[in-house]
Amino acid sequence: ETGVTQSPTHLIKTRGQQVTLRCSSQSGHNTVSWYQQALGQGPQFIFQYYREEENGRGNFPPRFSGLQFPNYSSELNVNALELDDSALYLCASSRSASGGAADTQYFGPGTRLTVL
Amino acid sequence: DQQVKQNSPSLSVQEGRISILNCDYTNSMFDYFLWYKKYPAEGPTFLISISSIKDKNEDGRFTVFLNKSAKHLSLHIVPSQPGDSAVYFCAASDPDSWGKLQFGAGTQVVVTP
Repeated sequence: ETGVTQSPTHLIKTRGQQVTLRCSSQSGHNTVSWYQQALGQGPQFIFQYYREEENGRGNFPPRFSGLQFPNYSSELNVNALELDDSALYLCASSRSASGGAADTQYFGPGTRLTVL
Repeated sequence: DQQVKQNSPSLSVQEGRISILNCDYTNSMFDYFLWYKKYPAEGPTFLISISSIKDKNEDGRFTVFLNKSAKHLSLHIVPSQPGDSAVYFCAASDPDSWGKLQFGAGTQVVVTP
């Protein structure tokens, strides 16, 4: 069984640029959630995708957007990068019958984004 | 608004002894709780979970206890091993949150020989 994979591993961008991060969900999983983890903090929920639609969103501005594809892989796009966007971005997948909350989420290794 | 709190940023324990990690929450709607372990440069790894209808769940060396009245949960690791040295995160979700997990800030555990 293939686990959650993310690409790239590391990324350096400058303020104002745009970035796309990618995630492949674990085999058999249909739901993908994205989290931002700043240094010394726990992961913060950005949004979740279920059946190719956004299924819930945390307190992040609209310049954070995403997609889910028919094979359940997902992208996180961030426009107009700011210095505070520097963080570890984590993708988690889960198997959900209805997009509900009580499903264990399995995380990928993350993408470390640095904004200069 | 931090709804899940891990008030101990670090814990040092001797190999073979018990590690006890604590987590407090404020949202009474939380009904599912999880513990994750994270090594540097890796994503969080799921350890154990508990539903609010239970007060204890055990899996090998790991046991999670839930005290709903106190809004408190704890993770016990017995016996502690050097490979347990990692950051441990407590997370919670509620039925209306559409899969949003709320995490604590984490506790760094160091297991010494």
